[in-house]
Amino acid sequence: QVRLQESGPGLVKPSETLSLTCTVSNFSLTSDYYWGWIRQSPGKGLEWIASIYQNGGIYYNPSLRSRVTISIDTSKNQFSLQVNSVTAADTAVYYCVREGLGTTWGLFDSWGQGALVNVSS
Amino acid sequence: DIQMTQSPSSLSASVGDRVTISCRASQDITNYLAWYQQKPGQPPRLLIFAASTLQSGVPSRFSGSGSGTDFTLTISSLQAEDVATYYCQKYYNDPRAFGQGTKVEI
Repeated sequence: QVRLQESGPGLVKPSETLSLTCTVSNFSLTSDYYWGWIRQSPGKGLEWIASIYQNGGIYYNPSLRSRVTISIDTSKNQFSLQVNSVTAADTAVYYCVREGLGTTWGLFDSWGQGALVNVSS
Repeated sequence: DIQMTQSPSSLSASVGDRVTISCRASQDITNYLAWYQQKPGQPPRLLIFAASTLQSGVPSRFSGSGSGTDFTLTISSLQAEDVATYYCQKYYNDPRAFGQGTKVEI
């Protein structure tokens, strides 16, 4: 069964860059799935951030596109997220997810446990 | 962008009750609608996709219906372990978007 695990700093200063990595186990990133990031601010709902395919095909949420970069390293079976110029509004639990293709494109069928990132000086 | 609106935002029901949650899309999304369950301290879990198809391992008391712009998640007989927040989500369309959630309490 696929397992996703987020890792990265739990505290980031305002104006700096948030960086997270998702390590995928028991499943190859070169399989026919997209891989993505979703965040959830404290007490709030879910916000899709970005998704990437093994060949580098990328989709970004237009509301975050200018500050976000998603990348993939199939040799390490990892994918990563960077959010630039963070503010307190970027404080959230960040989930890495597996996303379907074809008629399930955009459907999130596996989730990591989540990583809490606090933006504070 | 297509907006997803859920109602109610919260509800309280008794064990054994039939519970219904609504989700409305601002434009026609045919049947590209999913439902997720999120229990406190856990990531969301996919319950239903294609508006009415149960994900493997999901109890049969959960069901989904609807097409176009109006969708419904039904729990036929509420159990204590169903206490959670439920989210609808449109997919097969960019950008992916979630409803704001419905909190179900006993």
